[in-house]
Amino acid sequence: EAQVTQNPRYLITVTGKKLTVTCSQNMNHEYMSWYRQDPGLGLRQIYYSMNVEVTDKGDVPEGYKVSRKEKRNFPLILESPSPNQTSLYFCASSLKRDSNQPQHFGDGTRLSIL
Amino acid sequence: KQEVTQIPAALSVPEGENLVLNCSFTDSAIYNLQWFRQDPGKGLTSLLLIQSSQREQTSGRLNASLDKSSGRSTLYIAASQPGDSATYLCAVSPAFNDMRFGAGTRLTVKP
Repeated sequence: EAQVTQNPRYLITVTGKKLTVTCSQNMNHEYMSWYRQDPGLGLRQIYYSMNVEVTDKGDVPEGYKVSRKEKRNFPLILESPSPNQTSLYFCASSLKRDSNQPQHFGDGTRLSIL
Repeated sequence: KQEVTQIPAALSVPEGENLVLNCSFTDSAIYNLQWFRQDPGKGLTSLLLIQSSQREQTSGRLNASLDKSSGRSTLYIAASQPGDSATYLCAVSPAFNDMRFGAGTRLTVKP
């Protein structure tokens, strides 16, 4: 089954404790991206990757890092989380970076930073 | 910068009603527009995609229209069912490699 898998699904942690949210897709997609969703703001893109070893900033990259060492994985790293990073996070992938291409979304990761 | 607005933020209707969800955007120069459905605890599922050159798209009980000149799109849901309860998101692509989301309309269809 084609899917995008995020882990963990829920996490409560404290300010400053490094955390990683993993994202994996099994569709051999080149393009992967991370979004955060906050009430009243819609989804905003954090980082994206056009292919292995190619990453770039989205609209709200501050406080986040990503890596793309393998095509299937695109982890999101919060080196020193802060309360304003409390949000619902989605990973998405598509064949290419083209909004005409169907995007597949993970089920989301709800992060709470205390 | 393209901004996308969805009104109302929440909508509650009785089962069987036809309803319209609205999406407006500030820049009429768009590549395409999509409507997504988001269920609690789930990711987004694409419902309909309208290319810039198209006026509408239909899928089952759903019909999406696009009026670029006025910066508006509507999602029409016919004969609503409780299973239609979800948040509906509109996303506008100013270019092929960009996508701007609205904040969504949370729809509740009461049995």
